[in-house]
Amino acid sequence: GEDVEQSLFLSVREGDSSVINCTYTDSSSTYLYWYKQEPGAGLQLLTYIFSNMDMKQDQRLTVLLNKKDKHLSLRIADTQTGDSAIYFCAETPAGNNRKLIWGLGTSLAVNP
Amino acid sequence: DTAVSQTPKYLVTQMGNDKSIKCEQNLGHDTMYWYKQDSKKFLKIMFSYNNKELIINETVPNRFSPKSPDKAHLNLHINSLELGDSAVYFCASRGTSGGAREQYFGPGTRLTVT
Repeated sequence: GEDVEQSLFLSVREGDSSVINCTYTDSSSTYLYWYKQEPGAGLQLLTYIFSNMDMKQDQRLTVLLNKKDKHLSLRIADTQTGDSAIYFCAETPAGNNRKLIWGLGTSLAVNP
Repeated sequence: DTAVSQTPKYLVTQMGNDKSIKCEQNLGHDTMYWYKQDSKKFLKIMFSYNNKELIINETVPNRFSPKSPDKAHLNLHINSLELGDSAVYFCASRGTSGGAREQYFGPGTRLTVT
């Protein structure tokens, strides 16, 4: 079946890089997404990657996709306290592109 | 110029009551969703409508009834509220053209059942 897994917690020091990992099971996924949820707010799309790409960079964010291992990661360079949030990984299964399969979210704590 | 809006933002009610949450999107999207986020922040899809037609209906008690009067609105009515219904409910919408077709989320409605 379709499943997306993430570790639940990550703690880093301000200024360090954060790497949030995600594994998925559907090898025919078309798009994979990273969403950010700040406390008390809704989810915002951070970035996404199409399945035929290996890497995507957007300012401090780097997304790496390893299709062979079905592994997706989000690297945040120079992590700031404002990056403290829950980060959700999600995929679009090829058979139903109107539905997203969500991970449980990784809570990132940035310590000064 | 809010993209996806929900009302109310907070809702406190007693067990057994019936309540509704409203959602509107001004993005011109065809597909809308309701999600439930529990106290552990786990996100679970409940329903989805495409052009007023129900396309996703996950295992949700039939006390929950979505209604889509037009493609810009998706409301959620909950009958006979229970303590376990306490959660944050998010509405989202998604376009059907373009590449990534990401979902856009509303700010959430925090429902507390006492």
